[in-house]
Amino acid sequence: NAGVTQTPKFQVLKTGQSMTLQCAQDMNHNSMYWYRQDPGMGLRLIYYSASEGTTDKGEVPNGYNVSRLNKREFSLRLESAAPSQTSVYFCASSDRTGFNQPQHFGDGTRLSIL
Amino acid sequence: SQQGEEDPQALSIQEGENATMNCSYKTSINNLQWYRQNSGRGLVHLNLIRSNEREKHSGRLRVTLDTSKKSSSLLITASRAADTASYFCATDEVKAAGNKLTFGGGTRVLVKP
Repeated sequence: NAGVTQTPKFQVLKTGQSMTLQCAQDMNHNSMYWYRQDPGMGLRLIYYSASEGTTDKGEVPNGYNVSRLNKREFSLRLESAAPSQTSVYFCASSDRTGFNQPQHFGDGTRLSIL
Repeated sequence: SQQGEEDPQALSIQEGENATMNCSYKTSINNLQWYRQNSGRGLVHLNLIRSNEREKHSGRLRVTLDTSKKSSSLLITASRAADTASYFCATDEVKAAGNKLTFGGGTRVLVKP
């Protein structure tokens, strides 16, 4: 019962470095999402993929890129990390069979940019 | 921008008491969802209430929805120490594509033994 798996769990980067956060789900879900959560706040959507082969911007896409590698995997890339991107990143998935579907979350990647 | 705003931001209660938190939103929705987040973990789905529903029960949880007031509430009855967590509402907006959710800022609940 893995659900949504994120790697790595923790990462420290220097300003300007690049990094890819990995996410995989084993529930055969169509839709996948990347969020960031800053201290004491709710989640903000960075990018999402409604189905394999499609990606769209969310609320805060600047500084990020994504790849929907296949139905299972959705990666998030920081090309040139900035201190403002220090956050906890969550990946989620949902079954897009119809409306009114809950999202299933991974346990997050805690990213610090120095 | 955050669609849902939760109230209160923090809540401290004794074990056995009830906890009530509210969520207000601004636009038309398909459904409203509640999630729990334990410290250091991801969000866990608790309940989904559709726009044509008014109340749902699940174990010790009761969720209400008033679309005329654009508000929802989550009631946890007979709270336990294990209910200590942050609780978030999230709205599935009518105008949004791709089953996107917009989250509120959360209510931090502390249940004291």
